[in-house]
Amino acid sequence: IAGITQAPTSQILAAGRRMTLRCTQDMRHNAMYWYRQDLGLGLRLIHYSNTAGTTGKGEVPDGYSVSRANTDDFPLTLASAVPSQTSVYFCASSDSGEAIDTQYFGPGTRLTVL
Amino acid sequence: DQQVKQNSPSLSVQEGRISILNCDYTNSMFDYFLWYKKYPAEGPTFLISISSIKDKNEDGRFTVFLNKSAKHLSLHIVPSQPGDSAVYFCAASLSGNTPLVFGKGTRLSVIA
Repeated sequence: IAGITQAPTSQILAAGRRMTLRCTQDMRHNAMYWYRQDLGLGLRLIHYSNTAGTTGKGEVPDGYSVSRANTDDFPLTLASAVPSQTSVYFCASSDSGEAIDTQYFGPGTRLTVL
Repeated sequence: DQQVKQNSPSLSVQEGRISILNCDYTNSMFDYFLWYKKYPAEGPTFLISISSIKDKNEDGRFTVFLNKSAKHLSLHIVPSQPGDSAVYFCAASLSGNTPLVFGKGTRLSVIA
């Protein structure tokens, strides 16, 4: 059982390039999330999806887009990367999106934008 | 404005002693609170939670206390073990399908 996987593990990217971070879960969870973790800033929500076909904006959505074509996959796209998007990105999922549901996190993608 | 605050970036405790991690929040409408634990190079994992209808929840060595009037919660770990060394995130949420709001985290070091 894989749980939740993210790819790539790490990436160095030139500013201005397009990048898609992949996230897949095999728990049949309805809700999925993307967070970024920066030193001194904790975990900040970028986008979320409570069910396939729907998405919502989190605290820091600018410069990022997501899609939820099916239950398992929730890719995060940076259309034109900037150095301030250097961060560790975590994908998570939960059963229903309710606050009481535990969120399960992937191992993270470390992204460096030069 | 930070809605969930963890004012101590780091904490060092001796093995066997109690670790107390604190968290304050500003939104009195929050009614569900959680603690997540994160080891280096791994994603956060759920540790313990508490609903606003309770003031204490215990799970083994971990206890979370909630003081609604002070908008304050704390995580107690007793006895602390070296394997507890990690970053601990406090999170809060409104009821329903609303996203969690995380604090900045506190790095706990348990010294043998």
